[in-house]
Amino acid sequence: KNQVEQSPQSLIILEGKNCTLQCNYTVSPFSNLRWYKQDTGRGPVSLTIMTFSENTKSNGRYTATLDADTKQSSLHITASQLSDSASYICVVIRRSNDYKLSFGAGTTVTVRA
Amino acid sequence: GAGVSQSPSNKVTEKGKDVELRCDPISGHTALYWYRQSLGQGLEFLIYFQGNSAPDKSGLPSDRFSAERTGGSVSTLTIQRTQQEDSAVYLCASSRRNYEQYFGPGTRLTVT
Repeated sequence: KNQVEQSPQSLIILEGKNCTLQCNYTVSPFSNLRWYKQDTGRGPVSLTIMTFSENTKSNGRYTATLDADTKQSSLHITASQLSDSASYICVVIRRSNDYKLSFGAGTTVTVRA
Repeated sequence: GAGVSQSPSNKVTEKGKDVELRCDPISGHTALYWYRQSLGQGLEFLIYFQGNSAPDKSGLPSDRFSAERTGGSVSTLTIQRTQQEDSAVYLCASSRRNYEQYFGPGTRLTVT
């Protein structure tokens, strides 16, 4: 069973609307969690990195939250744009120097005009 | 500053043929990683190179898969006697030692 579960698998939203993506993990111990954006035909690009003590972190219109007690994270996209159409991948790192990352399967977001 | 590059971007091959996928990491990055991304699946770790240390090959799915890294820079992932289940996107990433990984655009492999 994957240690990082993302939901929904995909979603479609209208331009200008907000959406929230969920990530639940069982990876332990926990060092940090990252959200990546992967455009079609490209490699994943890091959006946010959150450590155990951080609850919220923003990067422009992207806001990530982390509840390390319940092992849940969310990524909120505000005022979506067509360029936000991509796959969003949740990645959990077990230790700060651990090169083996635990990847979620991703949520595919489609923004329509 | 160039990012991680991979070639070819797309590769279609017949079942049973061998393929070589190339990765050029970011200059100065000592760590290099190969991943496989299948449709609807999370990225699957294949192999990790760090400097002159012995690579971690624990993620390679079978002995048909191998990888080399020459001169601490360019890496080649080789798949021998390809099978249809090998069809996937193969991503390469590089980093300074165990720091944030930067991904290449991937090679989409289709085995017919």
